[in-house]
Amino acid sequence: NAGVTQTPKFRVLKTGQSMTLLCAQDMNHEYMYWYRQDPGMGLRLIHYSVGEGTTAKGEVPDGYNVSRLKKQNFLLGLESAAPSQTSVYFCASRGTYSYNEQFFGPGTRLTVL
Amino acid sequence: DQQVKQNSPSLSVQEGRISILNCDYTNSMFDYFLWYKKYPAEGPTFLISISSIKDKNEDGRFTVFLNKSAKHLSLHIVPSQPGDSAVYFCAASAQGAQKLVFGQGTRLTINP
Repeated sequence: NAGVTQTPKFRVLKTGQSMTLLCAQDMNHEYMYWYRQDPGMGLRLIHYSVGEGTTAKGEVPDGYNVSRLKKQNFLLGLESAAPSQTSVYFCASRGTYSYNEQFFGPGTRLTVL
Repeated sequence: DQQVKQNSPSLSVQEGRISILNCDYTNSMFDYFLWYKKYPAEGPTFLISISSIKDKNEDGRFTVFLNKSAKHLSLHIVPSQPGDSAVYFCAASAQGAQKLVFGQGTRLTINP
């Protein structure tokens, strides 16, 4: 039981490049979330999903897209990376009845030059 | 508009003493509150939670207090141990909401 995993762990991009971050969970959770963590800003919600095939915007969605084609996977895409997207990205998931107790992955550190 | 605020970016406590981390919120619709702990290079992990129908919840060395009239909650750790050194995030959710709102975090350092 791996919990929540994230791929890759580290990545360096140049401005304008694109990439996809993958989150996978093996707990059969309905809900999945993408956050970014920046110094002094805490964890800010980018996008989330309440089930397979659904997505919704969070607090800071601009510049990101997401897809939830399979229940266990939640992809975060950056179509044209900007230096302002340099951050640590965390994926989380939770079950339907866990009342917002979310389980987090180990994070992806992304640097955009 | 920061709905959940942790006004102390850092806190230093001597081992064995009590650590008190504070959190304020502005949204009166919040009815469930959580604390997460985060070590460097790891994801946050759930620590303890409290529902708005309670004013205290205890789990071993960790106790969370909720003061609804002041829109304030606090996490008490006693006695503090070196392994408690981490960043602590306060989070809140409203009934029916599918997401959490996090504070900025407080870095706790336990000194031997």
